[in-house]
Amino acid sequence: SQTIHQWPATLVQPVGSPLSLECTVEGTSNPNLYWYRQAAGRGLQLLFYSVGIGQISSEVPQNLSASRPQDRQFILSSKKLLLSDSGFYLCAWSRDNTGELFFGEGSRLTVL
Amino acid sequence: DAKTTQPPSMDCAEGRAANLPCNHSTISGNEYVYWYRQIHSQGPQYIIHGLKNNETNEMASLIITEDRKSSTLILPHATLRDTAVYYCIVRAFNAGNMLTFGGGTRLMVKP
Repeated sequence: SQTIHQWPATLVQPVGSPLSLECTVEGTSNPNLYWYRQAAGRGLQLLFYSVGIGQISSEVPQNLSASRPQDRQFILSSKKLLLSDSGFYLCAWSRDNTGELFFGEGSRLTVL
Repeated sequence: DAKTTQPPSMDCAEGRAANLPCNHSTISGNEYVYWYRQIHSQGPQYIIHGLKNNETNEMASLIITEDRKSSTLILPHATLRDTAVYYCIVRAFNAGNMLTFGGGTRLMVKP
């Protein structure tokens, strides 16, 4: 069966520090991968999606970046965090374009 | 993707049916209706999707009006564990998975 894991689950970082969130999918190959962010009390905002290794599309301009160094690995990064980067970050995968996404457990980032 | 409108919150008694409405009056012919839910501090979970026929699975039923301008997600016997935010999304099938999640409906199941 397929599983998705992301870490760390909780992170507290000072403003200006770097960020790296990792996500891996197991049990499938060539998945579509996504990073979403959810600010407190808000809906989900799509940040990045990837249809293959090294292929990243950004949905919103920001100081975040994403990379896909391996088929089932998706990384969300920042060189310098802002207060507004605080939120709940969710990685997701899909096996095709049918609209069924499988989400990870989420990573809660607090920037102080 | 077409825009959806959902009530911000609803209450339901435990054991009763929860009927969650969604308006999507600008839906086009090739767009499906999808439902997800998000339990507090967890990732969203896919529930069901449909085009024009009513659909049922082990989690819920989806009723789509004949003109497809609205739909209702039905949880037949709500439990406390069904307390969550429910998102209604419309998108074209095979149009990519860039799902746009709106505010959703916060369902509170009460004992």
